[in-house]
Amino acid sequence: NAGVTQTPKFQVLKTGQSMTLQCAQDMNHNSMYWYRQDPGMGLRLIYYSASEGTTDKGEVPNGYNVSRLNKREFSLRLESAAPSQTSVYFCASTRSQAAVTNEKLFFGSGTQLSVL
Amino acid sequence: AQSVTQLGSHVSVSEGALVLLRCNYSSSVPPYLFWYVQYPNQGLQLLLKYTSAATLVKGINGFEAEFKKSETSFHLTKPSAHMSDAAEYFCAVRLDTGRRALTFGSGTRLQVQP
Repeated sequence: NAGVTQTPKFQVLKTGQSMTLQCAQDMNHNSMYWYRQDPGMGLRLIYYSASEGTTDKGEVPNGYNVSRLNKREFSLRLESAAPSQTSVYFCASTRSQAAVTNEKLFFGSGTQLSVL
Repeated sequence: AQSVTQLGSHVSVSEGALVLLRCNYSSSVPPYLFWYVQYPNQGLQLLLKYTSAATLVKGINGFEAEFKKSETSFHLTKPSAHMSDAAEYFCAVRLDTGRRALTFGSGTRLQVQP
């Protein structure tokens, strides 16, 4: 079973370039999330989508946009990359709608992004 | 506001020794609490979760955690460490009102010495 699939696994950008991180899940989950992981800071929520057609800001949304393309796919876009966005990005999903509070998160294996 | 604090960014134990990873939370309402584990170059996996049922929660791979309301703690333990337990461990909290996603602690990297 694939679970949550993220592409690409690695990316290097120059400051000001744009790119889209792709995420897809094959578990028929309703809620999807984007987190970034930085040393000593754990994971911080960027955006989430509690159901198809809805998106909401998390803790650190500035500099990012998201699209819930359909139930399976949730993409994260950096319009003008900055060195502060160098991080490891994780996509995750949960089964229920509305990002129900006690559900298990299923994570992808991450995208390592460097912005020079 | 909610937050979660993990004491000790690195913990080193000998194989066979007790593992104790500390987590304290602050919350104005009873929380839902989680421990996740991250092995190198992988995403996070759920170890266990507390959702207001039993205060002692058993998880996978022999780990357990005890919710102590009076201490606002949810420490993770394992009686006997194994080499395969070497990983980074994250405590996370989710309120049952309002906020819809997890807040993670900064993580504790566990090393297991032979």
